[in-house]
Amino acid sequence: DTAVSQTPKYLVTQMGNDKSIKCEQNLGHDTMYWYKQDSKKFLKIMFSYNNKELIINETVPNRFSPKSPDKAHLNLHINSLELGDSAVYFCASSQVRGGELFFGEGSRLTVL
Amino acid sequence: AQSVTQLGSHVSVSEGALVLLRCNYSSSVPPYLFWYVQYPNQGLQLLLKYTTGATLVKGINGFEAEFKKSETSFHLTKPSAHMSDAAEYFCAVSEPSGSEKLVFGKGTKLTVNP
Repeated sequence: DTAVSQTPKYLVTQMGNDKSIKCEQNLGHDTMYWYKQDSKKFLKIMFSYNNKELIINETVPNRFSPKSPDKAHLNLHINSLELGDSAVYFCASSQVRGGELFFGEGSRLTVL
Repeated sequence: AQSVTQLGSHVSVSEGALVLLRCNYSSSVPPYLFWYVQYPNQGLQLLLKYTTGATLVKGINGFEAEFKKSETSFHLTKPSAHMSDAAEYFCAVSEPSGSEKLVFGKGTKLTVNP
C-alpha cells in the first residue's frame, strides 16, 4: 500500500488553464503539506494543514488554493496557470508538526 | 527563521571511496535535522534524522551523520560509496518548538564513478 499517493503523476496543460492535483495519505497523520520543487531541484514549502486547518501559508500566489476535505486528503487547485508554475509538486505528511516528512512520488506539471 | 546551507551542489567520488556531504544550518531553537535522498523521477526518502539524544545518527544504506551544535553542522558520511548511491541528497532543518516546518537545503548531487 502506498503511504502518500498523488494523482496525476504527470500533467501537461496550456497557459491560462485550471488544474488540480490530489493527495491522499493512509498513515493516520494529522499534518499534510504541499512542496514545490523547481527545475534546479530546490524544494520550497507552500502550504501545511493540520487536521483540516491551514497552519502554514507561504508567499504563494492566490491562484493556488489548497483544500483539505478531511485529514487524510489535501488537494491543490491552481487557477490561470503560468509558465513559471511548471515544476514538480510534492505532497507530504507528518505525524507531528516539524517532524519527519513522508513524501508522495510527486506530480510533474508542465505548462506550455 | 531557520535555514540550511549545503556546500557543494555537485560531489563526485569513486566507487569505494568515502562520501562526505556537508550541511550547515541556522536555527533560533533546538533543531530537528534530516537527510533525505531523491533518486531520479522519484519522491524523497528519509535517510536519517536527529531529534534529541545521541549526536551520531545512523541511517539506511550505511549512511550516518553527526550533529555538532558548536559548528551548527550535520554532515552526512558513508565509508564506502556504491554505484547505487548516485542521487540527489537534501539536508533539512525544522524547529519543532518554533515554525514547525521543514526547510530544505538546495541539494547536493552525488555522482559515483566506477
